[in-house]
Amino acid sequence: DIQMTQSPSSLSASVGDRVTLTCRASQSISSYLNWYHQEPGKAPKLLIYAASTLQTGVPSRFSGSVSGTDFTLTITSLQPEDFATYYCQQSYSTPYTFGQGTKLEIK
Amino acid sequence: QVQLQESGPGLVKPSETLSLTCTVSGGSISNYYWTWIRQTPGKGLEWIGYFYYSGSIDYNPSLKSRVTILLDMSKNQFSLKVNSVTPADTALYYCARMCGGSRWYTLDHWGRGALVTVSP
Repeated sequence: DIQMTQSPSSLSASVGDRVTLTCRASQSISSYLNWYHQEPGKAPKLLIYAASTLQTGVPSRFSGSVSGTDFTLTITSLQPEDFATYYCQQSYSTPYTFGQGTKLEIK
Repeated sequence: QVQLQESGPGLVKPSETLSLTCTVSGGSISNYYWTWIRQTPGKGLEWIGYFYYSGSIDYNPSLKSRVTILLDMSKNQFSLKVNSVTPADTALYYCARMCGGSRWYTLDHWGRGALVTVSP
């Protein structure tokens, strides 16, 4: 199985801050990487697919990039609704696997 | 707007079979991969498997011997069965729609989740 490792596991930030979350794949997965965010008590919601393409309706303050097996999700100017847990997921091969998540908390 | 809703017993005894159904509304069950995922505090999000409308199936090898996913196109539903459950199968179970092709797959619609507890 392809292991997805996210860092940090938690992050404290303030409204208006810029944050970067990282996801590393245990082997090359090209750009077959999706990002989801999950608010407490809700299902995950697709944010970014193919490493850098925003899902319809996702604000432009979100962006994604890839360098080798390292993927980043950047949020500029954090908004209150952005404080949630973020997961990466590879679709390169089954079993599709998720990272353990990064919990973004309000400082 | 496509919506998914899980239903089924919230409590299952050890060694018995966990059964969940996902009802899809607002869209056809054709042309997509209908997927089950579960979430636990310890293991996080775990992909269980999918049933493609054309009949192809793929399961997580860690669960393959105990899992069955079926599609009922006449009812716009798909189902999950997990045999011989143990407390380790206690989880929040999500049904989801996966779309795409050639590895560009995304889980673009999810149900709200169904909590299943395995306990005597």
